[in-house]
Amino acid sequence: NAGVMQNPRHLVRRRGQEARLRCSPMKGHSHVYWYRQLPEEGLKFMVYLQKENIIDESGMPKERFSAEFPKEGPSILRIQQVVRGDSAAYFCASSPETGGREYTEAFFGQGTRLTVV
Amino acid sequence: KNEVEQSPQNLTAQEGEFITINCSYSVGISALHWLQQHPGGGIVSLFMLSSGKKKHGRLIATINIQEKHSSLHITASHPRDSAVYICAVRWGTANFGNEKLTFGTGTRLTIIP
Repeated sequence: NAGVMQNPRHLVRRRGQEARLRCSPMKGHSHVYWYRQLPEEGLKFMVYLQKENIIDESGMPKERFSAEFPKEGPSILRIQQVVRGDSAAYFCASSPETGGREYTEAFFGQGTRLTVV
Repeated sequence: KNEVEQSPQNLTAQEGEFITINCSYSVGISALHWLQQHPGGGIVSLFMLSSGKKKHGRLIATINIQEKHSSLHITASHPRDSAVYICAVRWGTANFGNEKLTFGTGTRLTIIP
């Protein structure tokens, strides 16, 4: 059972380009969370998605950032017109569907390190 | 404001020493996680706690719900334990199924041979 898979592991983009980060959750997991870790800072929540739905996007910057988790395929975090301040490690975590019955552990991916030059 | 604080920020110890990392939080939680991150690496979940104590190998995690405090202990520390240890909480108001976490800033542990 493969863990949470993120790709690419490292991504370099020039200012103004688009960055697409992918996250494939663990098998059987239908909940995906994206977190950002800025240099020398702690992790911060960005967005929580279930298949085809955004449940909580309270941590997403208002502009240039979007996320999706389609019925088929990985979850995508998209950053348009990247700026130097977007340089960070972006982590994805997944958890299983519990039917609202219990709390569960979240499993993290290896992260994507985005560098904007 | 819901906050998570860790101490110390940095900790250097000799191999074999007993290590304690502390985490305190401001309001009620439904679960607390201890995570490990190696430099440039991914994040590994060590423990999830909602009460009491858990042990895995040389690692022990405890939580005191009334005092809003948790500790992570490492016995017989080893250089391979060198990493950043992060405390993260799910606030008590979160609905079942929403595992959104709020993180402490981490404790950078260095074990010297």
